[in-house]
Amino acid sequence: ETGVTQTPRHLVMGMTNKKSLKCEQHLGHNAMYWYKQSAKKPLELMFVYNFKEQTENNSVPSRFSPECPNSSHLFLHLHTLQPEDSALYLCASSQDPRGTGELFFGEGSRLTVL
Amino acid sequence: AQKITQTQPGMFVQEKEAVTLDCTYDTSDQSYGLFWYKQPSSGEMIFLIYQGSYDEQNATEGRYSLNFQKARKSANLVISASQLGDSAMYFCAMTQRRSQGNLIFGKGTKLSVKP
Repeated sequence: ETGVTQTPRHLVMGMTNKKSLKCEQHLGHNAMYWYKQSAKKPLELMFVYNFKEQTENNSVPSRFSPECPNSSHLFLHLHTLQPEDSALYLCASSQDPRGTGELFFGEGSRLTVL
Repeated sequence: AQKITQTQPGMFVQEKEAVTLDCTYDTSDQSYGLFWYKQPSSGEMIFLIYQGSYDEQNATEGRYSLNFQKARKSANLVISASQLGDSAMYFCAMTQRRSQGNLIFGKGTKLSVKP
């Protein structure tokens, strides 16, 4: 069982759809992250949760809505997205945001918005 | 503002040879961390190596070593004895000032290992 699991791996949605990305970590970590990876651009941090509390929102549009019900699960709810939101969405976890900062990533959810 | 620069969009290396991937960074902080990650075609980001700004010795992890030159603000990754499985995207990253543990990434270098 991998440390950080993301589902679905691939998702195609229309601009009016509502969908959710799920992330689960089996590492006992306390911090979880959502990153966006667009083509030919650096990874962009979206959200950070530490002990289930959101500690960072990197000016992300409200059509992306995160949810962290516990330290092991993280969701990204998607609503009325735009084609430019098509990207690889990576979830990560770490023991503590104030540690060395090593992040453990999932394999990502490849999102295509039509 | 903090920034990571990777100037090599793509690199080729012959199998069993060594290769250096360049990374320069910009920060006004005295304390920071530098990382290298590997991203194969599967998409997962795999942690390779870490260097703290106060570490006096260059970090090494198996075939990976980090050539840390603080005065030049460079943190190049050296892969020795390249293997076909090393073909992937490689990202340099550093901790952000605002909240340690959150990383900012460079644009990456695509490494292709030739048999």
